[in-house]
Formats: sequence, structure tokens, C-alpha cells
Amino acid sequence: ETGVTQSPTHLIKTRGQQVTLRCSSQSGHNTVSWYQQALGQGPQFIFQYYREEENGRGNFPPRFSGLQFPNYSSELNVNALELDDSALYLCASSLGSGTDTQYFGPGTRLTVL
Amino acid sequence: AQSVTQLDSQVPVFEEAPVELRCNYSSSVSVYLFWYVQYPNQGLQLLLKYLSGSTLVKGINGFEAEFNKSQTSFHLRKPSVHISDTAEYFCAVSDQGTYKYIFGTGTRLKVLA
Repeated sequence: ETGVTQSPTHLIKTRGQQVTLRCSSQSGHNTVSWYQQALGQGPQFIFQYYREEENGRGNFPPRFSGLQFPNYSSELNVNALELDDSALYLCASSLGSGTDTQYFGPGTRLTVL
Repeated sequence: AQSVTQLDSQVPVFEEAPVELRCNYSSSVSVYLFWYVQYPNQGLQLLLKYLSGSTLVKGINGFEAEFNKSQTSFHLRKPSVHISDTAEYFCAVSDQGTYKYIFGTGTRLKVLA
């Protein structure tokens, strides 16, 4: 059984640019959640997708958007990057919706200059 | 809204000594509780979880936690720590029937030789 993978590992962007982060869930996991972890903080929930539909959203603006694909991959897109978007972005996959245990990937470190 | 408090931002402890990392959550009717560990430059790894049943939960690497509903606590313990336990530990809570984890700010455990 493969784990959750994310790409790229690191990314540097400038303010105002757009970025796409990618995640590959464990096979069979229909749910993917995305979290933002700022330096020295715990992860904060961005949104969750279940079977390609958004299933819930945290307190993040619409410029944070996502996609989930049938092959267990997903994307997090962030438009109009701001300096405060610099963080570790984590995706987590789980079997179903609700509160099934979430398995995390290693994250993508985004730096916005 | 649900919240999680990890009062200790850092806990230094000598090798082979016992340790307790504290976690309190805001009151709710029914919750699921989790402890995750994060090693430097890595994602989150599940240590243990409480969904229902016995209030004493055993996890990986010799860790255990006790769910205390009256105290709204879920403290993590290990009777004898190793240097390799040095990491950041996060407590998370999820209301039953909801889809997102709420994380605490983390406790940095530093095991000293």
C-alpha cells in the first residue's frame, strides 16, 4: 500500500502569482483534505473533497481552490499569492467522509517573496 | 466552535524519564481525538486515536493517552522516552459528524541525553 505523496517538495513564488500543489492519495481513499501549517503553528483546515466534490471548507478566502480527480490525485490552487501564504501545505487522505482517520503526506513548503 | 489547547509549547525531558504532553479541548457532546507526531521536515504521523470505548488508548512507539470526558482532556504519556522521540506533537479533535480536524499549536518534545 503506497502512502500519501505530495509535489513539489519546495516552491518559491512571488506575491501576486498563482500556484498549484499536487497530492496523490492512498489507493481507495475517496476523501482528501488540505491543511495550511504556518511556521510554529498547528495545521489549519482549508477544505475537504469527497468523490470530486467539495465537502466542507475552513476560514480561507475563495482564492484557495481545489480539485480532486478519479485517480486519487488532487490539487490545491492558490491565486494572487500573499506573503502570509508562506507555509507548509499538507494533504491528508481518508477512506470516506466524516471522521475517518486521515493519513498525511510530507507536505509542500511554499515560500512567497 | 471546537478548539484545542496544548498548554506546553516545549517540554524538555531526560532520556528514559517519563513524559506527559497535555491536551484539552472545548466541550462537545461527542468527539474523536487524535495525537500526531511530526518529525523535522516531515508530515504528520498518527500516534493514536480515540473514537469510542475504553478511555485508555495505546498507540505506536509505546505512547498511550487517556480520554477524560469530565476534564475534556486527552493527555499523551510515555513511561520512558528515547532520543528518537524528539519531535513536535499535535493533538487534534473532530466533532462526530463533521469533516475537519482542529489542531492544537503543538508541543515540542526535546529528549536530552
